Amino acid sequence: SQTIHQWPATLVQPVGSPLSLECTVEGTSNPNLYWYRQAAGRGLQLLFYSVGIGQISSEVPQNLSASRPQDRQFILSSKKLLLSDSGFYLCAWSALAGTSGSREFFGPGTRLTVL
Amino acid sequence: RKEVEQDPGPFNVPEGATVAFNCTYSNSASQSFFWYRQDCRKEPKLLMSVYSSGNEDGRFTAQLNRASQYISLLSRDSKLSDSATYLCVVNVRDSSYKLIFGSGTRLLVRP
Repeated sequence: SQTIHQWPATLVQPVGSPLSLECTVEGTSNPNLYWYRQAAGRGLQLLFYSVGIGQISSEVPQNLSASRPQDRQFILSSKKLLLSDSGFYLCAWSALAGTSGSREFFGPGTRLTVL
Repeated sequence: RKEVEQDPGPFNVPEGATVAFNCTYSNSASQSFFWYRQDCRKEPKLLMSVYSSGNEDGRFTAQLNRASQYISLLSRDSKLSDSATYLCVVNVRDSSYKLIFGSGTRLLVRP
C-alpha cells in the first residue's frame, strides 16, 4: 500500500530564517506530487505541483520554492521566512502521473509558525 | 468568483440528523468530483468520489448535476464523529494536473 511521509510535524522558526520541508511517498512510482498551504481557518491553497523529476509548476508568486530531486521526494524551501508563511503545509500525491483528475492523498502535514 | 463555492457553515445539528452539503463549481469543463473530510488540525481525507449517476457509501449519498454545475452530499443519521469540515473538490479537463478545493463546510454534531 502507498504511504506518504512529511517531516517535521511541527516547526517554529524566526522571521528571516530558511525553511526546508520534506515529503516522501512509498509504494508507488512516478506520482504527481503537490504542496498545499492552509492558513488558520482557511481553505487549501495549492503552492506547487510536479508531474516528474525536476518538473515543478508554481501556482502563486511567493518567497517559497519547490524541488523534486527524486521520483518520490518533494521538498519545499524558503531562503527567508515571512510572518505570512505561517500555516499548515500539506504534501499530497496522486496516481496516474501526467494525467489530471486522479484523487489526491495527503500526508500528515507540517504546522509552521513563524515568529 | 471562486472556482468551487461552499457554504462555510458551521452546521450545528443533533445526533441522528440528516445534513445536506452543497457545492457549486464555475468551470463547465470540470471532469472529476470528490468529497473530502478534514478533521481539526489534520490532513484532508477522501470521503468519496462523485459519479454522474449518483452514488452511495454507507450513510453518505453524493449527487452530481452537470447542467446546474452543482454537487451535493447527504449525510444521514449523523454521529458525533461526523464533526469535521467537508471539502468539495473538482478537476478541470485541461492540461493541468491539479484538483480545485472548495473552502469547506464545517459540521458540528451535538449530543
